[in-house]
Amino acid sequence: EVQLVESGGGLVQPGRSLKLSCVASGFTFSNYGMNWIRQAPGKGLEWVAYISSGSSYIYYAETVKGRFTISRDNAKNTLYLQMTSLRSEDTALYYCARHNSGFDYWGQGVMVTVSS
Amino acid sequence: DIQMTQSPSVLSASVGDRVTLNCKASQNINKYLNWYQQKLGEAPKLLIYNTNNLQTGIPSRFSGSGSGTDFTLTISSLQPEDFATYFCFQHNSWPLTFGSGTKLEIK
Repeated sequence: EVQLVESGGGLVQPGRSLKLSCVASGFTFSNYGMNWIRQAPGKGLEWVAYISSGSSYIYYAETVKGRFTISRDNAKNTLYLQMTSLRSEDTALYYCARHNSGFDYWGQGVMVTVSS
Repeated sequence: DIQMTQSPSVLSASVGDRVTLNCKASQNINKYLNWYQQKLGEAPKLLIYNTNNLQTGIPSRFSGSGSGTDFTLTISSLQPEDFATYFCFQHNSWPLTFGSGTKLEIK
């Protein structure tokens, strides 16, 4: 069974940093690209970042480019999102999702709240 | 960026109804259109990928069609568990983008 479990969220002040993790199981992690997607409270879905299976290709949404860094450790079956210079508008539930004809499996999400 | 426009934003329907949800892309996305269902407090679930391919485990009452810029999701006979929000999503080009959703409500 495919499982994706996010962690690392919490309450953080504007301008500070936070690093999210997503541990994958139930499939060969190193064979798939991975994504981060977020959803602000009561709002729609926003794709944030993508990393290819071997980390050769990385793409970001304009709203996070230069502030967020996606990475992965295939030996640990883990995806990361390093978030810096956080803003109130980054407050959202952050999901990791496997890339396969779009996003076929999602985690349950981890909440990030940016507030003073 | 490709803008995805869904209509209607809210749809009221009854159990047993046949409903159609619409999604329009601001430019040609070929067949690279997915549909997701999201229930309150849950992660989105993939229903349809690449316009008309039913994801494993999804009931056959769900179907998708379209091409280019105009796409539809049809639910042939609404069941109580189908009342949720539905998002379309394009993965033809970066940045990947979602529609703003259609909330399917019980009439």
